[in-house]
Amino acid sequence: DSGVTQTPKHLITATGQRVTLRCSPRSGDLSVYWYQQSLDQGLQFLIQYYNGEERAKGNILERFSAQQFPDLHSELNLSSLELGDSALYFCASSVEPGQGANEQFFGPGTRLTVL
Amino acid sequence: EDKVVQSPLSLVVHEGDTVTLNCSYEVTNFRSLLWYKQEKKAPTFLFMLTSSGIEKKSGRLSSILDKKELFSILNITATQTGDSAVYLCAVEASGNTPLVFGKGTRLSVIA
Repeated sequence: DSGVTQTPKHLITATGQRVTLRCSPRSGDLSVYWYQQSLDQGLQFLIQYYNGEERAKGNILERFSAQQFPDLHSELNLSSLELGDSALYFCASSVEPGQGANEQFFGPGTRLTVL
Repeated sequence: EDKVVQSPLSLVVHEGDTVTLNCSYEVTNFRSLLWYKQEKKAPTFLFMLTSSGIEKKSGRLSSILDKKELFSILNITATQTGDSAVYLCAVEASGNTPLVFGKGTRLSVIA
């Protein structure tokens, strides 16, 4: 158990809908990262937050957005869902970016299925 | 653009075999290279290799980093069925940039 929690574990929804994925980082970790993992893709970085502020952005679609709250938990919002959005969504946390080599701890993931 | 390429994509071996997984990278301002093991769920951390630590070993697993040739290998000796997983390589650059992951090597160890 990495100490990173994600809810829900599974989510099944229809095209066009909107969902929210939630992540709580390890105690003491200030940085949260969101990744998407499809069947034939590696981990694709989406977005990073540090202490409530957006820090880095990857290949995140405009239909997707995220935020990190004062208690450091983070939410990833996916809207106007398409079949191709079906994937595993991972959250990871680390102590602080830019402070030397940075180990990230991954949550168990949310499996999103869009029908 | 930073890039990480892993090979092979998948590998099937018998218990007791030794395997070598490869990871090559192109990154500006390299800081570290990380190996993760992903079974059914979340990736779990194995090793981190930096300029100050280019060889790591833990039990039957070991890894080296060649900063000149820009690659790393992960060795697993005396493989067991429990080693079956996807092994991910990731590279971190300095300047607060996110990890860049390769697509992974799927290792299957059969009895």
